[in-house]
Amino acid sequence: AQSVSQHNHHVILSEAASLELGCNYSYGGTVNLFWYVQYPGQHLQLLLKYFSGDPLVKGIKGFEAEFIKSKFSFNLRKPSVQWSDTAEYFCAVNPVDGNKLVFGAGTILRVKS
Amino acid sequence: DSGVTQTPKHLITATGQRVTLRCSPRSGDLSVYWYQQSLDQGLQFLIQYYNGEERAKGNILERFSAQQFPDLHSELNLSSLELGDSALYFCASSVATPNTGELFFGEGSRLTVL
Repeated sequence: AQSVSQHNHHVILSEAASLELGCNYSYGGTVNLFWYVQYPGQHLQLLLKYFSGDPLVKGIKGFEAEFIKSKFSFNLRKPSVQWSDTAEYFCAVNPVDGNKLVFGAGTILRVKS
Repeated sequence: DSGVTQTPKHLITATGQRVTLRCSPRSGDLSVYWYQQSLDQGLQFLIQYYNGEERAKGNILERFSAQQFPDLHSELNLSSLELGDSALYFCASSVATPNTGELFFGEGSRLTVL
């Protein structure tokens, strides 16, 4: 069964700092990759996704992620965070031959103003 | 607003009881998914239905069951409740299968078992 590991459970940054959240997955086949975000008191929503093609994908609100197949990684980045980026971020993996979207444990990001 | 509606938003009940959580998917979405979010287990996939039929099963306990009705809404039934069942239960929907994994989530039903 596939699994997803997120390296940090809590991250605290100051505004304008750069962000990188790590995500690694274990699955031998082809996968679709996602980052979801959950703002305080809100539902999960899609931040960005990778299906195929350019391994560097851009999402909403200035976020981007890079798929490195050899490392089974899909790290999330943002050059300069804002206070409004405070949220919990989930990496998720879905094998293209399966129906289960498996989430990582989540990373809680707090941005200090 | 994702278009996915879940009721109730909050539910407090006692151990041993049974509850039903309801989910209405986005208009046009045929697949419904249930997830459980707790502090110690994170976001766990429970079960998926597609157009009324069970399509995938995750870490769903035998005390839990779900179904999807002809109008595509879904219900998650939790019985013989235990303290550890206290969690946020999310429903999500997607357009169809093959599943690309892009899900739209409801706001969740927070269950507290006392």
